[in-house]
Amino acid sequence: DQQVKQNSPSLSVQEGRISILNCDYTNSMFDYFLWYKKYPAEGPTFLISISSIKDKNEDGRFTVFLNKSAKHLSLHIVPSQPGDSAVYFCAASGWISGAGSYQLTFGKGTKLSVIP
Amino acid sequence: DAGITQSPRHKVTETGTPVTLRCHQTENHRYMYWYRQDPGHGLRLIHYSYGVKDTDKGEVSDGYSVSRSKTEDFLLTLESATSSQTSVYFCAISARVDSGNTIYFGEGSWLTVV
Repeated sequence: DQQVKQNSPSLSVQEGRISILNCDYTNSMFDYFLWYKKYPAEGPTFLISISSIKDKNEDGRFTVFLNKSAKHLSLHIVPSQPGDSAVYFCAASGWISGAGSYQLTFGKGTKLSVIP
Repeated sequence: DAGITQSPRHKVTETGTPVTLRCHQTENHRYMYWYRQDPGHGLRLIHYSYGVKDTDKGEVSDGYSVSRSKTEDFLLTLESATSSQTSVYFCAISARVDSGNTIYFGEGSWLTVV
């Protein structure tokens, strides 16, 4: 049972245009959401996050939107650059009472290709 | 840079042999994690630790054990490696950022079981 879903395995965008990566979740107990970027042969890098009490968080060219009622979040990259080409993972965090800790649940990733 | 070092970074081993991956952190974080990344599966939690000698299982813990004898080191052991354990393994720590806990990853350990 996938609690965090990224339904698009890949996305291609022209340089300078907007990239929109989508993520859906099913567990209403998630209260913190994150996006990670991963280049080949490197570890995932934290990109941006949003708390469930907000609906938008912006950091430079990256904006994350959260729609709690739809259990949906998206990452917007404007303008897209060739260096943004990477795999992007969506993650959701919540307190796992049985485990006694916060844990992250990851989506399977979306490979973004920005075409020059 | 979360001060995480993984070793070895690359290893080829034979089926049935034990393998230990080491994660070392320099910033005294309480929580440490081991994930594996496989095509089509994203990042999956193997084991995590919430303190010295305090560990628990994650989503895909079968065939793996962990130990944490001091705050800075978290070891992942494949007791008898199988080909299905060929993967990229990432160690991570958890740190509080703004209103949530954010996980920061190491650079990964590429393991091939032949």
